[in-house]
Amino acid sequence: GESVGLHLPTLSVQEGDNSIINCAYSNSASDYFIWYKQESGKGPQFIIDIRSNMDKRQGQRVTVLLNKTVKHLSLQIAATQPGDSAVYFCAENHSGRRALTFGSGTRLQVQP
Amino acid sequence: DGGITQSPKYLFRKEGQNVTLSCEQNLNHDAMYWYRQDPGQGLRLIYYSQIVNDFQKGDIAEGYSVSREKKESFPLTVTSAQKNPTAFYLCASSIAGGPNTEAFFGQGTRLTVV
Repeated sequence: GESVGLHLPTLSVQEGDNSIINCAYSNSASDYFIWYKQESGKGPQFIIDIRSNMDKRQGQRVTVLLNKTVKHLSLQIAATQPGDSAVYFCAENHSGRRALTFGSGTRLQVQP
Repeated sequence: DGGITQSPKYLFRKEGQNVTLSCEQNLNHDAMYWYRQDPGQGLRLIYYSQIVNDFQKGDIAEGYSVSREKKESFPLTVTSAQKNPTAFYLCASSIAGGPNTEAFFGQGTRLTVV
């Protein structure tokens, strides 16, 4: 069945370092991907999205890379800050499904 | 201030009781969603609605019911048929249902069965 999964449940980085969070998906029909950030006890917040006709998209301090060949995407956070500590989810969608499918999340811990 | 409002933030329910979670949005979005989140896990889709007076089951609809009588409101009822209702419930909306649309989330309701 469809699944969107993450390689690492917890990622610990030093403040100021770059963070890379990975996500694998199984549905070759997936054509839209989003990264969300969720702080404890709150709803997910949109970070960045990418469509399948792109392989890279940049935002403020964040970059998403999409490799459709191996069904993999990653979120890169530059100069990680304590405020980046949260759980990060990737989600995907495709024609025929009217709602996002979420992965299980990666917890990012930023060490001072 | 536009957004999605979920209420209450915390809710306690006795076993065997139905309970309704509120979700209101003033973003003028057509599509609305309900997700369930269990500790340490991702979000699972319960129900979604693409337009007023229409809704579809998601991946885990059993034990839940919804209505969509108004564009801005999408309440979720957790019925006594839901065997494990303790969870964090998240409501979301998007401009339109379907692919390539970002979903905006509320702050969630934490339901605990006592």
